[in-house]
Amino acid sequence: DIQLTQSPSTLSASVGDRVTLTCRASQNINIWLAWYQQKPGKAPKLLIYKASSLESGVPARFSGSGSGTEFTLTISSLQTDDFASYYCQQYDDYPLTFGGGTTVEIK
Amino acid sequence: QVQLQESGPRLVKPSETLSLTCSVSGDSINNYYWNWIRQPAGKGLEWIGRIFPGGTTRYNASLQSRVTMSVDTSKNELSLKVTSVAAADTAVYFCARGRGSPFYLDHWGQGALVAVSS
Repeated sequence: DIQLTQSPSTLSASVGDRVTLTCRASQNINIWLAWYQQKPGKAPKLLIYKASSLESGVPARFSGSGSGTEFTLTISSLQTDDFASYYCQQYDDYPLTFGGGTTVEIK
Repeated sequence: QVQLQESGPRLVKPSETLSLTCSVSGDSINNYYWNWIRQPAGKGLEWIGRIFPGGTTRYNASLQSRVTMSVDTSKNELSLKVTSVAAADTAVYFCARGRGSPFYLDHWGQGALVAVSS
């Protein structure tokens, strides 16, 4: 199985900060990576697919980059609604796998 | 707007079978991959498997011997069965639509918390 390692596991930040989350894959997954946001008690919400494509309706402050084994999700100016957990997920090969998540908390 | 809704018993006894249904509205289930994912409380996400209506299933090897997925296109529903459950199967179970090729998960149900307990 392809392992995804997210860092950091927890990130403390303030409103307006620029934050960058990292996801590393155990093998080459090309650009087949998605990012999801999850709030407590809710389902994950798709933010980014194909490593850098913004899902319709997602604010432009979210952006994704990377290919191969190194990927990042950047929030250009953190808003109060963005405090949540973020998961990366690869869909290059079965089984689909998720990273362990990064929780963005209020500093 | 596509909407997914999980339903089914929320309490299952050990060694019995967990059964969930996902009702899809706002679009036909044809032409998409449909997935089940679970999340134990406070933990990460685990992909259980996927089904394509009229086509194949693909399951996570970690659960393959105990999982069956099916679809009912006339009802626009998909179903999940997990046999011989244990406490470790206690989790929130999500259904999700797969879009694209290869597919990613663009629409999710709200999730159903299923507890395994006697």
